[in-house]
Formats: sequence, structure tokens, C-alpha cells
Amino acid sequence: DGGITQSPKYLFRKEGQNVTLSCEQNLNHDAMYWYRQDPGQGLRLIYYSQIVNDFQKGDIAEGYSVSREKKESFPLTVTSAQKNPTAFYLCASRDRQGPSEQYFGPGTRLTVT
Amino acid sequence: SQQGEEDPQALSIQEGENATMNCSYKTSINNLQWYRQNSGRGLVHLILIRSNEREKHSGRLRVTLDTSKKSSSLLITASRAADTASYFCATDASGGNNRLAFGKGNQVVVIP
Repeated sequence: DGGITQSPKYLFRKEGQNVTLSCEQNLNHDAMYWYRQDPGQGLRLIYYSQIVNDFQKGDIAEGYSVSREKKESFPLTVTSAQKNPTAFYLCASRDRQGPSEQYFGPGTRLTVT
Repeated sequence: SQQGEEDPQALSIQEGENATMNCSYKTSINNLQWYRQNSGRGLVHLILIRSNEREKHSGRLRVTLDTSKKSSSLLITASRAADTASYFCATDASGGNNRLAFGKGNQVVVIP
């Protein structure tokens, strides 16, 4: 059953703690993306990776970090430097060779108090 | 980066009616895509229209693209309660950086 998974669905953290969100795909896609979604603001790109061991900053990368050591995995770390981390985080992937449609995971809702 | 913008932001219709949403963008694109998001879920790709296409259909969905006006519309015909969701347009800009720019979304409520 092919797809993209994110875990956990809900995550709670205290302010000042780093937290890592998981994203795994078995679609054999080269490109992976992390978005942040806040109410009324649509999706904003945090980081993206087009191939293993390579990634680029998106529009709102400050306070976040990523790694891409394996094709299947693209974890996102929300650091304590992110001033307003409470949000809904969405991971996506796409086949670089095919159409540019993206496949999304179910999302992780992070709440930092 | 460019950004799609949908209009109107929220739409409430009766089951069986048609729903129309619009999206505008600012720069040259390779294609424009529409996605649906049910509350608290990930986005699901609906339809992609290339820059050299003017209209595309998929089931009850009809998408138009006017590159001279840099705008697109999504029409859902004979709406159903299950169409209740947020709908986003996303543009794939010319230049090959493999990024999509998403609009803020249209919330559609279909009343049974």
C-alpha cells in the first residue's frame, strides 16, 4: 500500500524544546517537501529536497532544520528558535520525472505551550 | 515566490448546486493545480492544467485557465455533501525549481 506517512498525528511540547516530525514515503519519489499551515494562510514552504543528501530552504526556514539521509525519509526538526511553532505541518512528495503533482501525508498538529 | 489567491474565500451552497472558485497568480507558470483538503487532513490532488491548455474536465470538476489574465477557475457541478472541504490552487512556476506556490484556499460548505 503505497503512500506517505507522518507521525505522530498530534504532538505537544513545552516551549524551549526541540521536536522532530517524521515523514516517510514508499512511493520512490525523489522530491520531498515540508509545509506549514496556519488558519487562513494556506500552505507555506519550509524546506524541500529534490534528491538524497540535498535540501533547500523554502520561504519560512528560520527555526527549522531537516535532513535527507534516505530517499524514503525527510524528518523536520522544529527548534526552540522558531518563535511561533504551533501549527499544522504537512509533508509531501513528488516524482521528479513525472507531472508536478504532490502527494501529501495526513499532517502533524504541533502544539507548543 | 509567486502565490495563487483564491476568490471567494468561503462559499456555502445547497446540495445539487454548482460551486465556482477563482484563483489568480502573478508570474509565468508551467501548470496550475487544484487540491482539496478535508478538515484536519492532508491535501489531495484534484486536477492539473498545463499552461497551453484552456479547459480540462475530470468527473464533476471543470477547470479553466486564462494565462493572459493569469487566472483559473474551478467549477464543481452538482455538488454533494462530501464535497465540503477547502480547495487550494497551486502554481508550478516556469524555471524548474520543482516548487509549488499555494493560495490561501476556499472553504466550501455543501448543505444537504
